[in-house]
Amino acid sequence: SQTIHQWPATLVQPVGSPLSLECTVEGTSNPNLYWYRQAAGRGLQLLFYSVGIGQISSEVPQNLSASRPQDRQFILSSKKLLLSDSGFYLCAWSEDSMYEQYFGPGTRLTVT
Amino acid sequence: AQKVTQAQTEISVVEKEDVTLDCVYETRDTTYYLFWYKQPPSGELVFLIRRNSFDEQNEISGRYSWNFQKSTSSFNFTITASQVVDSAVYFCALSEASRGSSNTGKLIFGQGTTLQVKP
Repeated sequence: SQTIHQWPATLVQPVGSPLSLECTVEGTSNPNLYWYRQAAGRGLQLLFYSVGIGQISSEVPQNLSASRPQDRQFILSSKKLLLSDSGFYLCAWSEDSMYEQYFGPGTRLTVT
Repeated sequence: AQKVTQAQTEISVVEKEDVTLDCVYETRDTTYYLFWYKQPPSGELVFLIRRNSFDEQNEISGRYSWNFQKSTSSFNFTITASQVVDSAVYFCALSEASRGSSNTGKLIFGQGTTLQVKP
């Protein structure tokens, strides 16, 4: 069966510090991968998606970036965090663009 | 533009009551997919159901049922005999169907409905 992992689970970082969140998927190959952010107020916003290694598409201009160095690894990064980057970050995968997405446990980021 | 509206921000019921969560969507596509997800207090989104735009049959899974009506662009979710464990935030989402290489599988989420089931 497939599983998706995210770490860390929680993170408190000062403004201006770098960020690296990691997501890995097991039990499948060549998945579509997604990064979402859920700010207070519950709405989920798609940040990045990837259909293959090295293929990253950004949905929203921001100071975040994403990379996919391996087939089942998706990394969300920032060089300098802003207060507005605080939120709950969720990684998801799907077998195909038309299929349901399965979400990881999430990372709760607080920028102070 | 695609949009999903969940007009009910919060619903509170007493255990064993039936409850319906509303979802209205907007899309210009003729082929699309609709989803429901559950987000318990732990935060992880749990997939509940996917329905494509060509299948208007209602679906039942245990205490859960879904009513899809294209005529009103609605995809409502009913929990029968609610239980305390049903307390969570529920999200309805919309996705475009495949358009070849441009398809992203992007999900458009509603703002969610917080369901509280009291014992």
